[in-house]
Amino acid sequence: EPEVTQTPSHQVTQMGQEVILRCVPISNHLYFYWYRQILGQKVEFLVSFYNNEISEKSEIFDDQFSVERPDGSNFTLKIRSTKLEDSAMYFCASSEEGNYNQPQHFGDGTRLSIL
Amino acid sequence: RKEVEQDPGPFNVPEGATVAFNCTYSNSASQSFFWYRQDCRKEPKLLMSVYSSGNEDGRFTAQLNRASQYISLLIRDSKLSDSATYLCAVNEVRRNTPLVFGKGTRLSVIA
Repeated sequence: EPEVTQTPSHQVTQMGQEVILRCVPISNHLYFYWYRQILGQKVEFLVSFYNNEISEKSEIFDDQFSVERPDGSNFTLKIRSTKLEDSAMYFCASSEEGNYNQPQHFGDGTRLSIL
Repeated sequence: RKEVEQDPGPFNVPEGATVAFNCTYSNSASQSFFWYRQDCRKEPKLLMSVYSSGNEDGRFTAQLNRASQYISLLIRDSKLSDSATYLCAVNEVRRNTPLVFGKGTRLSVIA
């Protein structure tokens, strides 16, 4: 079964450094998402991406965050200057085109630890 | 504020038991509903979509009550491997909108 893949599985970074989290969505999916989950908290939406542009973003997704689809397969999330509170699991998800909401399929996540 | 609420549990049940979880949502514009399963420190995995007429997949049955704005998940004949956190997720009628998740209900199935 096709799956969303994410790298790295764990990233440890000093506060203030930039990080790039990578995702390869399922190949025939056209909608891409980033979510995060702080330990013990809900899964929270960050940003959605379609047709090479951001569709929606949450208030968490401030100027420190950016997304990019640099080629036909990768979808990246960049955090420019990390803060302690950015420590969380970051999940990429993708879904198909459809007439109604298609289920979103999640990658296995990147654990980001900010020191 | 758009909220999805779940009883956090834990629900501790013996193998073979039937267990049910509810999830309430506050946004009446919500149109698509899903149950995900999340194991400890893993990604949410789609368990099933929830259709207006209710739907069943093996031991799992999902129901939607639009009037009262809740969805439910029933697990029959619980297995040890069903132990996980069950996340309710909803999104709006516009296509491919963000999912709003509940915090999840923790289930432990005991031998």
